[in-house]
Amino acid sequence: EVQLLESGGGLVQPGGSLRLSCAASGFTFSSYALTWVRQAPGKGLEWVSGISGSGSSTYYAASAKGRFTISRDNSKNTLYLQMNSLRAEDTAVYFCAKGVDSGSYYWLDPWGQGTLVTVSS
Amino acid sequence: FMLTQPHSVSESPGKTVTISCTRSSGSIASNYVQWYQQRPGSSPTTVIYEHNQRPSGVPDRFSGSIDSSSNSASLTISGLKTEDEADYYCQSYYTSIVLFGGGTKLTVL
Repeated sequence: EVQLLESGGGLVQPGGSLRLSCAASGFTFSSYALTWVRQAPGKGLEWVSGISGSGSSTYYAASAKGRFTISRDNSKNTLYLQMNSLRAEDTAVYFCAKGVDSGSYYWLDPWGQGTLVTVSS
Repeated sequence: FMLTQPHSVSESPGKTVTISCTRSSGSIASNYVQWYQQRPGSSPTTVIYEHNQRPSGVPDRFSGSIDSSSNSASLTISGLKTEDEADYYCQSYYTSIVLFGGGTKLTVL
């Protein structure tokens, strides 16, 4: 069974940093692209970032570019999202989701349970 | 481009409801459309992928389609059950950027 388990969320002050992790199991980790998607409280889904299976290609939403860095450690079956210069509007549940193959995530399935990031003073 | 969904729909149990997802520019057929169901407090799960494919375990009451004339995708749920009450999101992509519709709250009453 494919499983994704996010961790690392919490309360952080504006301007602070946080690193999210997503531990994967049940599939050949390096063979699949992965993404981060977030959902602000009471709002819809917003794609944040994606990474290829090898980690050589990364992509960001405009809201994340320059502040967030996606990476992966294929030896540890873990996906990361380093978030810097956090703002109140980054407050959201962050989900990781698995793509279709090593280079594509046009379909996201499955999703993890999410981890809550709260940016507040 | 953007994907536009109605904010909410409601229908009675046993009836059929259709949720639309309109693409603002470019052809709806150019990139696969997926549909996700999200119940309160839960993660999204796929009900339709690649325009009209159903993952195993999703009842055949759920179906997807695209219409080039209206440049939109649709999710149709027949024989509505109270358990279908949830938020539904359409999703597509281009050049490795993922796009979501704003979501539609389905009320089954």
